[in-house]
Parts: sequence; C-alpha cells; structure tokens
Amino acid sequence: RKEVEQDPGPFNVPEGATVAFNCTYSNSASQSFFWYRQDCRKEPKLLMSVYSSGNEDGRFTAQLNRASQYISLLIRDSKLSDSATYLCVVTNNNAGNMLTFGGGTRLMVKP
Amino acid sequence: EPEVTQTPSHQVTQMGQEVILRCVPISNHLYFYWYRQILGQKVEFLVSFYNNEISEKSEIFDDQFSVERPDGSNFTLKIRSTKLEDSAMYFCASSDGVWGGGNEKLFFGSGTQLSVL
Repeated sequence: RKEVEQDPGPFNVPEGATVAFNCTYSNSASQSFFWYRQDCRKEPKLLMSVYSSGNEDGRFTAQLNRASQYISLLIRDSKLSDSATYLCVVTNNNAGNMLTFGGGTRLMVKP
Repeated sequence: EPEVTQTPSHQVTQMGQEVILRCVPISNHLYFYWYRQILGQKVEFLVSFYNNEISEKSEIFDDQFSVERPDGSNFTLKIRSTKLEDSAMYFCASSDGVWGGGNEKLFFGSGTQLSVL
C-alpha cells in the first residue's frame, strides 16, 4: 500500500466550478499534514497546512479525518490559474521533518 | 519572500561521472534537505541535514550519495558515479526547524534537472 495515495486525475473543470480532492495515508503516526501545489516542472509550494478542525484560506478548504486517515482539499470558484498538480503531504515529526508526498492530483481549469 | 537558490538549473553528465549539485539555503534556516522527482513520479525524500550532520536519509540515499555544507552558505549533494536511473529533478529545501502546530514550512529551490546519458 502506498504511504500517501491520491487519484492522479486529471480533473477537468470549467472556470467557477467547485472541485474536491481526496488523499489517504497509511502511517497512523503521521502528525502534520499539508497540501502543496506544483506547477509543471517547478518546485512544490506550500498551499496550506491541514488541521484536525478543518481550515479555510480564501477559496480553499482543507479537512483532516485522523480516524479514517483521510485528507481533503476543496477549491471553490476555480480560476484558470488554479491549474496545477496538488500534492498531499504528510510528516511524522519524529522522523526529522521528512515529508512524504503523494503522487499528486492534476487539475485543469478550462475557460 | 526569501529564496532557496540552486545551481545549475540543468546538468547533463555521462554515466559513471561525478556530479555536484549546489544549493544556497535561506540564511537563517538550520535544517536542509534534498528531495528528488523522477519525471512523472512523486517527489521523494533523500536526506535531511542539521548541525553539520545527516539527521535522516532514505533508502535511495546510498553510498553513491553524500551531502556537505562546506561553508556557511552552501549545501551540496554529490553523486559519485551517476547511473541512468539518477536522472531526475533534484530539489533542495530548507526550514527554520520550527515544526508542530501546523506552522511548519519547507522552502524549496527551483531544482536542478539532472540528465545522465
């Protein structure tokens, strides 16, 4: 079983749509959770941390379900500029802050 | 925003040659990392470095790999004898080490694309 599993997509959505991505992780000792964004052949960039209580940053909402080992990202009112690959990332803080990445979900927002 | 700088952006080498990838982490950061991403695959952890020594390394980081902080600013990754399967984008990253509570942030450099022929 992969440590961090994501649907690779692509998700093709029109501008203005709401889209949701899911991620599952296998290591129950994981302590910190993130969504990163990666544009084609660029470095990953932190989009947002994910808290147990759920958190929102503008059009982006992240949720964590520790019992199910499940993380989600919701993007409302999609923009063309949201087109990218979204990486689910977990870490066990006892493991030297090593990030474990999922394979990413590709989003393409069309006009 | 402060940046992690990597050079070169592209490196082409022959199989069996040694390569050194260079990184300048953010100046007040204490933790340094190398990750790699083979084309079409996920980002993979290689090694973390703190206080002038390796703190964690993955199975990928075998005896062919080494890291060094030769001075107060540079952080290098050396591959002693490159193999075809070492072809990948190599990302350097740094952090201030303040982890926990969801405020953690790793800053990634723009990467070095290594092509082994």
